[in-house]
Amino acid sequence: DIVLTQFPGTLSLSPGEKATLSCRASQSVTSAYLAWYQKKPGQAPRLLIYGAATRATGIPDRFSGTGSGTDFTLTISKLESEDFAVYYCHQYGKSPPTFGPGTGVDIK
Amino acid sequence: QVNMVESGGGVVQPGRSLRLSCVASGFTFSNYDAHWVRQAPGKGLEWVAKISYDGAYKSHADSVKGRFSISRDDSKSTLYLQMNSLRIDDTAEYYCAREGLVREFDLWGQGTLVTVSS
Repeated sequence: DIVLTQFPGTLSLSPGEKATLSCRASQSVTSAYLAWYQKKPGQAPRLLIYGAATRATGIPDRFSGTGSGTDFTLTISKLESEDFAVYYCHQYGKSPPTFGPGTGVDIK
Repeated sequence: QVNMVESGGGVVQPGRSLRLSCVASGFTFSNYDAHWVRQAPGKGLEWVAKISYDGAYKSHADSVKGRFSISRDDSKSTLYLQMNSLRIDDTAEYYCAREGLVREFDLWGQGTLVTVSS
């Protein structure tokens, strides 16, 4: 199975600041089949980015994804209050699909 | 409105069974592959099972293989997860998810909580 590692575990930032979240895979992710999700307590996970860099429908352009191979990054250019949540990376190129342990972005 | 809504969770004793349902609306469910994903308390997301759009292909995580079974009824736009021989470590919020055109999980339900406890 492909193991995904996310770092840092937690980011403490203020609204307006930039957030940089990293995801590293134990082996190369096929055809950049890498997605990012936002998860808030009591809510469904929300797809932000797929194909490593494509924003999902309705996702604001302050969210961007980059990377290939084993190293991927989610950037939130200017944090807004609704962005404080847990973010998961997910590879779906090789079965079984796997998720990273998550990075929590909380208010400083 | 495009939506997926899970139901069927609850408190159950170890060794017992439970069937989860997920009703899809606002789109043609039969056109899509679908998955179950779970999140144990304080833990991350764990993929559980997948079924193809036509039901011909099914895959289950090793942790549930032989105990859980995914199925679908497209006439009811409903995805199921039959869970047998439940264990304490199956306690989790269970989510259904639609697989999008490029295989990402593009639509998720709100989840249903399964608690396995004696």
